[in-house]
Amino acid sequence: NAGVTQTPKFRVLKTGQSMTLQCAQDMNHNSMYWYRQDPGMGLRLIYYSASEGTTDKGEVPNGYNVSRLKKQNFLLGLESAAPSQTSVYFCAISESTARAGANVLTFGAGSRLTVL
Amino acid sequence: GQSLEQPSEVTAVEGAIVQINCTYQTSGFYGLSWYQQHDGGAPTFLSYNALDGLEETGRFSSFLSRSDSYGYLLLQELQMKDSASYFCAATDSWGKLQFGAGTQVVVTP
Repeated sequence: NAGVTQTPKFRVLKTGQSMTLQCAQDMNHNSMYWYRQDPGMGLRLIYYSASEGTTDKGEVPNGYNVSRLKKQNFLLGLESAAPSQTSVYFCAISESTARAGANVLTFGAGSRLTVL
Repeated sequence: GQSLEQPSEVTAVEGAIVQINCTYQTSGFYGLSWYQQHDGGAPTFLSYNALDGLEETGRFSSFLSRSDSYGYLLLQELQMKDSASYFCAATDSWGKLQFGAGTQVVVTP
């Protein structure tokens, strides 16, 4: 997973606590994404950012917020954690190209979050 | 939005050929990608089809039929290391990907 670093790798929270997942890239890619992965449900897009300073909602944004103040960093926040947010979270990056369809994602190693 | 369907599990022996089908219902469909994920690991890109037809990359091939909203990933000469989950993902015109639920491939000796 060279190029995409996620922190922390593991975290246990109590219901109602807040936290921020951090994603950093050193590949100078424009686009960054946050996905969550739950058993039997594949990867679902939470938020994405096409460029520094811009963010958009994905399929499952409720309960999350994001920040892309610098090109190399994309932060995912949980303001008040709920047990339904127990999941593995993946950050991904892609280099936007003129051929919009050829959008290859490079993923980080993942962050496993448990909310009790 | 888009939805994708693929089988949940496929089992095959070493050396065999496995085909993983993926059907999709989409708006603004642009292309179909395939990703591999080993247990505890991150997904990694395998292939991408924007046009109808077959794309071959070593032992793996991917096919797309836009008129049938259908694609498949073909794994040939299966090896134990191919045991993993495989995801199809549809790309929309904005470049966003939506993933299927994944197919677990189990390779037995």
